Amino acid sequence: EAGVTQFPSHSVIEKGQTVTLRCDPISGHDNLYWYRRVMGKEIKFLLHFVKESKQDESGMPNNRFLAERTGGTYSTLKVQPAELEDSGVYFCASTRRGLGLDTEAFFGQGTRLTVV
Amino acid sequence: LAKTTQPISMDSYEGQEVNITCSHNNIATNDYITWYQQFPSQGPRFIIQGYKTKVTNEVASLFIPADRKSSTLSLPRVSLSDTAVYYCLVVYNDMRFGAGTRLTVKP
Repeated sequence: EAGVTQFPSHSVIEKGQTVTLRCDPISGHDNLYWYRRVMGKEIKFLLHFVKESKQDESGMPNNRFLAERTGGTYSTLKVQPAELEDSGVYFCASTRRGLGLDTEAFFGQGTRLTVV
Repeated sequence: LAKTTQPISMDSYEGQEVNITCSHNNIATNDYITWYQQFPSQGPRFIIQGYKTKVTNEVASLFIPADRKSSTLSLPRVSLSDTAVYYCLVVYNDMRFGAGTRLTVKP
C-alpha cells in the first residue's frame, strides 16, 4: 500500500510568487490534514478535509493560503503571494476515518518551502 | 482542546529503558492518548495509542493512570536509532501537536 506522498519535496521561491503544494493521501482515506512547522516552532494544524469538504480550517493563517481537495482524492495547498514567514515544512496526513480509537494518522515526508 | 506538557529533552544510553511522561490535565472523556515519533526530514509516525490502563505493542508500552491526566511512553532497550522527537497528543476528531520531547540516545 502506497503511503502519503507529497510534491515537491523542496521548493525555493521568491517573495511574492505563488507556490502550490500537493498531497496524495492513502487510497480510501477520507480524512486529510495539512500541518506546517516553521523554523524552531511546533507543528501547527492548518486544516482538515473530510472527502472534498473542509471540516476545520481554523488553523489557516490568512487568506493567502488556499486549500482544495477536488473529488475527495488529492489535495493542493496554494500560497499566493508567498511571504518570508511562510517558510517551513508543510506536512500532510490522512486517516481512513475520523480521529479516535484505533485511528492512526499517516504522514507524508513533507514539503520544505523556502521563501527568499 | 486538551493541552499536553512534556519534557523538552531527554538523554539516554543504548540498552536502557526510557520513560517519557506527558501531562494532560484537561483531557476530555472522548480523548485518546496517542504518541508519535519523528525523525529529522520525515513526517511524524504513529507509535501507540491508548485510552486507559496499559497498552503494549511491538515497539513501546503506554501507561495511563485511572485519572488519565498523564501518560507515560516506555521504550524498552533503546538503540541509537531511537533518537527522535516524541510527541504526546490527546486526540478526538482533532490532532494538535505540542513541543514534543527530543530524545537523544548515546552509545
